[in-house]
Amino acid sequence: EIVLTQSPGTVSLSPGERATLSCRASQGVSNTYLAWFQQKPGQAPRLLVYGTTTRATGIPVRFSGSGSGTDFTLTISRLEPEDFAVYYCHQYGTSPYTFGQGTRLEIK
Amino acid sequence: QVQLQESGPGLVKPSETLSLTCYVSGSSIDNYYWTWVRQPPGKGLEWIGDIYYRGSSTYNPSLKSRITMSVDASKKQFSLKLGSVTAADAALYFCARRSGWYIPPDSWGQGTLVTVSP
Repeated sequence: EIVLTQSPGTVSLSPGERATLSCRASQGVSNTYLAWFQQKPGQAPRLLVYGTTTRATGIPVRFSGSGSGTDFTLTISRLEPEDFAVYYCHQYGTSPYTFGQGTRLEIK
Repeated sequence: QVQLQESGPGLVKPSETLSLTCYVSGSSIDNYYWTWVRQPPGKGLEWIGDIYYRGSSTYNPSLKSRITMSVDASKKQFSLKLGSVTAADAALYFCARRSGWYIPPDSWGQGTLVTVSP
């Protein structure tokens, strides 16, 4: 099983700042099969990025994904108030598909 | 726009079988992968399994012995059965759609909470 470890566990930032969220895999993940989700309280996850770098439909350009191999990053260039949420990375190339434990992005 | 709605009992007794159905509107069942994911209260996400519209499926090995997934294109629904449930199976269960083999779940239901208690 591929274990995804996200860091930091919690990050406190202010609107307008840049957020950098990390996801490290226990073994290599194909770039085709790495995604990021956002989840707000009481809501289903929302797909932000798939294939490491491709934004999902309707996702603002301030969200960008990068990385390869075992190290992947989600960057939010300038935080908006609605961006404060929990973020999960997800690999869907090797069964069992797995999620990271999440990074909580909170308002400073 | 696709909409997914989970349905099933909110309470299941230990050792019994959990049965959930996901109703699909605004989309055909055909040509998509259909997914179940669960989330214990206050915890992270766990992939349960995928089923293709033609019926082929991939299950999480940790649950495989207890899972059956099925799809009914004529009724525009797909289902999950999880047998021999324990307290560890209590969670918010989401159904979701994958638009392609290279795309993870990109449309989700709002989830249904399942409690396991005598």
